[in-house]
Amino acid sequence: GENVEQHPSTLSVQEGDSAVIKCTYSDSASNYFPWYKQELGKRPQLIIDIRSNVGEKKDQRIAVTLNKTAKHFSLHITETQPEDSAVYFCAASTSGGSYIPTFGRGTSLIVHP
Amino acid sequence: DTGVSQDPRHKITKRGQNVTFRCDPISEHNRLYWYRQTLGQGPEFLTYFQNEAQLEKSRLLSDRFSAERPKGSFSTLEIQRTEQGDSAMYLCASADGDTQYFGPGTRLTVL
Repeated sequence: GENVEQHPSTLSVQEGDSAVIKCTYSDSASNYFPWYKQELGKRPQLIIDIRSNVGEKKDQRIAVTLNKTAKHFSLHITETQPEDSAVYFCAASTSGGSYIPTFGRGTSLIVHP
Repeated sequence: DTGVSQDPRHKITKRGQNVTFRCDPISEHNRLYWYRQTLGQGPEFLTYFQNEAQLEKSRLLSDRFSAERPKGSFSTLEIQRTEQGDSAMYLCASADGDTQYFGPGTRLTVL
């Protein structure tokens, strides 16, 4: 089955800095890669996703890159703000297949004002 | 609120008791998922439904776990003879395409 590794487990940055979270996956059939943000005590919320037919996607301060050959994808947050502090999860799944995502273990992002 | 809802939000039970959780998906979504999340971990897939059909249940944690979606709308997750190790957050999500939308979860504490 699919295996998703996520690093780092904790990331501490100063407000205004950039943050990068990296994930690797094992199943070459995976073709849909969402990222979720989960604030303390709240539900995971989708912040951005990417499909295997594109290499990069951007939405304001958030971007995701995908390297299919190396089987890794990354979340980039620029100009971080304290409200970006949360746990971020990556996931990999097969669109049009079982639609069952495998999640990474999460990255706790702390943005210091 | 047109998002995914779950009930109850918190459940405290004694070991050996049965518990049932309910999930109401976004109305037009035909797929519904159940996950377990423990502290410091990502959501762990348990089972999912396409309309009323349960398409994957081999990853339910034991035969004490069962789920239903009788009319293709809301779903229930039941845990029989609860154990302390069942203490966790149980998340439900619904989807139409690839994107899953999560409910707020039910936090289960087994004493």
